[in-house]
Amino acid sequence: DAKTTQPPSMDCAEGRAANLPCNHSTISGNEYVYWYRQIHSQGPQYIIHGLKNNETNEMASLIITEDRKSSTLILPHATLRDTAVYYCIVVRVGGTSYGKLTFGQGTILTVHP
Amino acid sequence: NAGVTQTPKFQVLKTGQSMTLQCAQDMNHEYMSWYRQDPGMGLRLIHYSVGAGITDQGEVPNGYNVSRSTTEDFPLRLLSAAPSQTSVYFCASRGGGRGAGELFFGEGSRLTVL
Repeated sequence: DAKTTQPPSMDCAEGRAANLPCNHSTISGNEYVYWYRQIHSQGPQYIIHGLKNNETNEMASLIITEDRKSSTLILPHATLRDTAVYYCIVVRVGGTSYGKLTFGQGTILTVHP
Repeated sequence: NAGVTQTPKFQVLKTGQSMTLQCAQDMNHEYMSWYRQDPGMGLRLIHYSVGAGITDQGEVPNGYNVSRSTTEDFPLRLLSAAPSQTSVYFCASRGGGRGAGELFFGEGSRLTVL
């Protein structure tokens, strides 16, 4: 699976949009981009995923560049409860490695009042 | 649905003791896995299973055994605990057949080995 690179930490003011970047320059055509977050020491929580089109759900939006080498997770109106570690993960569809998510260090997002 | 349930939530062991971390899911998911997370680190895959009777090693399998006799349960066994196994353990499951999907995680089991 392709490796991802994320900034170690980011800050965001409450109510503003939080834009979390992820670089995955070696991504293959059959690999999805997944985002998870982990609040305190809880189990990671799925946020959103995409292949090549932009995606939106009730939690966030995912913007994937046309060449698919990078993506941005957008939390449109960050709240204090969005303070967490955010993981960008690339996952191959099918094959023997499916479902084996490799978690890196992630980005620590701190939302300030 | 309860989702993914892990027991116990907290456990203290002495070096050399054995124990089993239990994981159960009620979503009829084929895929289940165990991760460990050390302080300030990301999650690392220990073992995983793609269905009943099938298990395989992940990134850090040494010191751990697993079995999958039913779809619902995926216990993780520490045969002889070592201080290096002090960590938080997360069980996760995913539905569907081949292909990537959303992982559902348990709340974690915090293990301390003295």
